[in-house]
Amino acid sequence: GENVEQHPSTLSVQEGDSAVIKCTYSDSASNYFPWYKQELGKRPQLIIDIRSNVGEKKDQRIAVTLNKTAKHFSLHITETQPEDSAVYFCAASKGFTGGGNKLTFGTGTQLKVEL
Amino acid sequence: GAVVSQHPSRVICKSGTSVKIECRSLDFQATTMFWYRQFPKQSLMLMATSNEGSKATYEQGVEKDKFLINHASLTLSTLTVTSAHPEDSSFYICSARGGTAVGYGYTFGSGTRLTVV
Repeated sequence: GENVEQHPSTLSVQEGDSAVIKCTYSDSASNYFPWYKQELGKRPQLIIDIRSNVGEKKDQRIAVTLNKTAKHFSLHITETQPEDSAVYFCAASKGFTGGGNKLTFGTGTQLKVEL
Repeated sequence: GAVVSQHPSRVICKSGTSVKIECRSLDFQATTMFWYRQFPKQSLMLMATSNEGSKATYEQGVEKDKFLINHASLTLSTLTVTSAHPEDSSFYICSARGGTAVGYGYTFGSGTRLTVV
């Protein structure tokens, strides 16, 4: 089955700096890669996603890049703010082609944005 | 947008008793429901996948007789933790998919914090 690795496990940045979180996946058939932000005791919130037919996607301060050949994708957050502090999870699935394919999550990154 | 309502949000039960968790899709038909368990400071681990009207598919290592999943309708799925023990204390969260109608998205419930004493 799919295996998703995520690094780093913790990341501390100064407010205004950029943060980068990286993930690798093992199943070349995976075609949908969402990123979630989870605050303590809450549900994961989708912040951005990318499909395998696209190499990069940006939404304001957040961007995701995908390298299908190397099977890795990254989350980039620019101009970080204290409210960006949370746990971030990457995930992968074969769900873009339809059906009920499951999401496999990475191990998570605790991002702390310091003033 | 798509909404999944999960209840209860918190439950405390005695060891040996059973607890039922419900997830309802409010504005779409959830053809597939995923159930996850999340221990403190860990990732979401998939327990099982269920399709409406079919038996659930459990992940390796998850006891199907202990974690009973029912997905009898397109808007309701339940997870029953039977004979709960302290090690079952965790955050349980469901995630629903409605197929092409909701753009292949995964909609999460708000989670249930289970504490077994």
